[in-house]
Parts: sequence; C-alpha cells; structure tokens
Amino acid sequence: DAKTTQPTSMDCAEGRAANLPCNHSTISGNEYVYWYRQIHSQGPQYIIHGLKNNETNEMASLIITEDRKSSTLILPHATLRDTAVYYCIVSLGGGTSYGKLTFGQGTILTVHP
Amino acid sequence: DAGVTQSPTHLIKTRGQQVTLRCSPKSGHDTVSWYQQALGQGPQFIFQYYEEEERQRGNFPDRFSGHQFPNYSSELNVNALLLGDSALYLCASSVTGFANTGELFFGEGSRLTVL
Repeated sequence: DAKTTQPTSMDCAEGRAANLPCNHSTISGNEYVYWYRQIHSQGPQYIIHGLKNNETNEMASLIITEDRKSSTLILPHATLRDTAVYYCIVSLGGGTSYGKLTFGQGTILTVHP
Repeated sequence: DAGVTQSPTHLIKTRGQQVTLRCSPKSGHDTVSWYQQALGQGPQFIFQYYEEEERQRGNFPDRFSGHQFPNYSSELNVNALLLGDSALYLCASSVTGFANTGELFFGEGSRLTVL
C-alpha cells in the first residue's frame, strides 16, 4: 500500500471549514484514498473514499488532485464533535473487501469554540 | 441494527497468560479483520477472516491466532502474553464481494492491559 503523509495536528474554529491535507505521491492506479477518523476512546469511523473523482457525502467532501498524488478532506462546518484523529489511507478497494488498511499517525484535528 | 460488538471491553492479564477476545460483525457482514492499536499509535492490521479461514495476515507472530465461526463471529487469541501486547484490540467487519462498499465498520475495541 502507498504511504501517506499528513500534518501532525491542525486547529479549526467551530463553524468554519476544516481542510485536512494528505500526500500520497506513490499511489498506484488501482488504489483508493480512504479517510477514517477516531474520536477519543472509540473505534475508527469511516468518513469517505474515492478513486479519481471528487466525492461528497453527508459528512465530508474529498478532493483528489488530477495526478492523484494528494487529496484534501473537507469538513464544511466543523463542530466540537469533529475533534478527532483523522487518518488518510491508501489501499486497494473496489468489489472485494481486503480489509487491510495501513494506518499512519494521522492528523489530530482540534475544533475550538 | 446492531453494529460491531466486541467483548470484553476491558481486561487485565499477567505476562505469560493467554487471552481470547470476541467479535460479532455487523448484521449482513461476512468478513472480520482484527487490528492492534498501541497507545498513541494508529491501528495495525493483525489478520482477516473470511469463510472461516485466515485470508490475510499482517506482521504479527504466531502467538496471535484467530478463528471465525459459521455465524461470522470471530475470536482473537493471544498466547504467552508480553507487556508489549498491552493495547486496544479492534475488530472491523465488512462484506466480501459485489456488495462491498469499501467501508470497514469498527467496534469500540477491547482494552488489554498486561502486567
């Protein structure tokens, strides 16, 4: 699996957009970009994933650059409950479940009132 | 609809002992993956079970073993416990095949402390 690089920590004001970057310059053509988050003392929670196109769901938006070497997770209106560790993961996906995600250190996002 | 459930939530063992952790996957899921998360680190993949067989394995010694039952639930066994095995053990479930959405559903974990 391709390695990812994320900032160690970020801050965001409540109500503002949180933009979390991720570099994955060695990503291969069939690897997806996944984002998970882990709120303290809980199991990781899936947020969103994508291959080439930008994706949006009820939680967030995922912007993937055209060369696929980096991506940005956008939480449009951050709340205090969004304070968590955010993991960017590159892994095979598609029609079969591989289940083997390689988690890095992630980005600690702190949302301030 | 119950999500992924794990038991026990907390347990304390001493070095050299053996431990069994249990996981029930989300309803409709047939694949179970286990992860170890040491304090301050991201989760590390241990292995995955599908159709009652180990399908993939991470870089963990043979002291770590598992089992999947016909109802898709799973157990993680760790023998000869070491202090370094103290961690949060996470179970994740998913679906193999065309119904897969690319999403893993994680349980809340079992916190193991080895003294």
